[in-house]
Amino acid sequence: QQPVQSPQAVILREGEDAVINCSSSKALYSVHWYRQKHGEAPVFLMILLKGGEQKGHEKISASFNEKKQQSSLYLTASQLSYSGTYFCALISGSARQLTFGSGTQLTVLP
Amino acid sequence: DSGVTQTPKHLITATGQRVTLRCSPRSGDLSVYWYQQSLDQGLQFLIHYYNGEERAKGNILERFSAQQFPDLHSELNLSSLELGDSALYFCASSATTGQGANGYTFGSGTRLTVV
Repeated sequence: QQPVQSPQAVILREGEDAVINCSSSKALYSVHWYRQKHGEAPVFLMILLKGGEQKGHEKISASFNEKKQQSSLYLTASQLSYSGTYFCALISGSARQLTFGSGTQLTVLP
Repeated sequence: DSGVTQTPKHLITATGQRVTLRCSPRSGDLSVYWYQQSLDQGLQFLIHYYNGEERAKGNILERFSAQQFPDLHSELNLSSLELGDSALYFCASSATTGQGANGYTFGSGTRLTVV
């Protein structure tokens, strides 16, 4: 089951904040977040495990809400380098492979 | 350099042909995953190998096949190519199966263009 991401796209100015949401119709046990710049490979940002843990990576952090079956990625004081497509991914399937969401395209303007 | 090596980086071939994409996982990683990313699309899971054994198949066409060799490198074979097969093909590796704490490490991908 593919996770649903929102919004599909967001444009902001350098220094502004953004939130990207990821929701699942099934119970969440862990959520991965990746960032992909155009034409490049996705890069792992962080993983959140069951338990409501919030993790951070520079000025990028995320939360995990088991009850709502949702994770949110927070980008604060955005920088130009944050531009790219952000994917959340969930473990699913018998071999527990990652199923990626459709992505949120983030554009940071100067 | 992520440590995952994919070759070739670009491939242009005609419809009906067969190609082989190669992936060397990061040192120590036993799992290899193949994903397809079409233009402006998300990452579609194709197949997963762990230590030489096939563990899961996703939306992989019958024209596509893969294997993982004893040295852990993997190859994705695409045959009877169609225009719609044009895409970026990524290989990713992880130390174990499933929810590794360090996520997946992706290679730089092979861009396949079918003309």
